[in-house]
Amino acid sequence: GIQVEQSPPDLILQEGANSTLRCNFSDSVNNLQWFHQNPWGQLINLFYIPSGTKQNGRLSATTVATERYSLLYISSSQTTDSGVYFCAVAFLTGTASKLTFGTGTRLQVTL
Amino acid sequence: DSGVTQTPKHLITATGQRVTLRCSPRSGDLSVYWYQQSLDQGLQFLIQYYNGEERAKGNILERFSAQQFPDLHSELNLSSLELGDSALYFCASSVVANSYNEQFFGPGTRLTVL
Repeated sequence: GIQVEQSPPDLILQEGANSTLRCNFSDSVNNLQWFHQNPWGQLINLFYIPSGTKQNGRLSATTVATERYSLLYISSSQTTDSGVYFCAVAFLTGTASKLTFGTGTRLQVTL
Repeated sequence: DSGVTQTPKHLITATGQRVTLRCSPRSGDLSVYWYQQSLDQGLQFLIQYYNGEERAKGNILERFSAQQFPDLHSELNLSSLELGDSALYFCASSVVANSYNEQFFGPGTRLTVL
């Protein structure tokens, strides 16, 4: 079936370290978004990136649509980066424009 | 701040009760989506409205209903509440209804059913 898989499920980093989060999806997509859910539960838009590469400060993302994966890079991590990172996609053949979320990567950044 | 507002932020109620969650989309957005985040099911799509009309349904229970009003705000009604309905409910909005548009999420309503 239609799936969105994220890895790793959990990640613990020391402040200043870099990390790569991965999202694999099972079918062609029209929309791919990365979110950060902070400890207060808010979902913060990071990137809208159905294809290509984007950068925003210490974060960047790349989606290779033909190979059905996306990567989120976090450089020089800070404690405020802690939380859960979600990848969500709208599949080309799916129901209207609903987003299907992965199960997330839980990131903890320590001092 | 995404521009999407949701009220209330927190809601505590008892089993069997009915509650209404409210969402105002970003200025200019015509489409509203509701999602539920629970511990066992993760983040799941419930329902989508576009310019006042229902556009798509996900795994929304029959006890749940929603509507979008002429001023484009939306309400999600949850009735005959059960313990398992405790979750974080998000509203999102986008400019139009198709899947090419970025969705922006509100801060959520945390519902606790006791």
